[in-house]
Amino acid sequence: ETGVTQTPRHLVMGMTNKKSLKCEQHLGHNAMYWYKQSAKKPLELMFVYSLEERVENNSVPSRFSPECPNSSHLFLHLHTLQPEDSALYLCASSQALASGQNEQFFGPGTRLTVL
Amino acid sequence: QKEVEQDPGPLSVPEGAIVSLNCTYSNSAFQYFMWYRQYSRKGPELLMYTYSSGNKEDGRFTAQVDKSSKYISLFIRDSQPSDSATYLCAMSGSNYQLIWGAGTKLIIKP
Repeated sequence: ETGVTQTPRHLVMGMTNKKSLKCEQHLGHNAMYWYKQSAKKPLELMFVYSLEERVENNSVPSRFSPECPNSSHLFLHLHTLQPEDSALYLCASSQALASGQNEQFFGPGTRLTVL
Repeated sequence: QKEVEQDPGPLSVPEGAIVSLNCTYSNSAFQYFMWYRQYSRKGPELLMYTYSSGNKEDGRFTAQVDKSSKYISLFIRDSQPSDSATYLCAMSGSNYQLIWGAGTKLIIKP
């Protein structure tokens, strides 16, 4: 595997289910991100980890719970979601947390549908 | 007012045309400007990066930044059907956090 991988690619869940999204980066990067992408809206940054420590939590509801067990893996645990949480969830990584030419590498995303 | 404005399109042009994609922004502190390309069922990938004002060219692609007008552009020459994708602008200041446009869906008709 190369780059950033995400599983599952598609997920349909009921409002009472608990599920987890998984992200793995094979780039040796130190920073990882979760984004939410909804149609015709800008990417919404949800969580940021640097060296396995959470550094950003952009007012995300507690029904989303991130976990970063090591610098290569990132999880997003989901429970009691709402239909408006249906979106594409993208994971990204970068060499470090820095401004400037700090390219973020994205996975293909998990398409989540909440019924 | 959104920090970054980008017309979501879709923008449909014939093959071989010159394409112009644009974003406007409100925060004068932004100094790093990026264009990402996102194909269907894929994540975004960095296409062009520009620091401050000026032009940058890479093959058929030219990125242009006008900080005085708070306006950035991406030009695609000799457009190809393989250029069909969503193009997202992103920018940042001294913080690592990128501020994104909504993306413009581009369709190149053969």
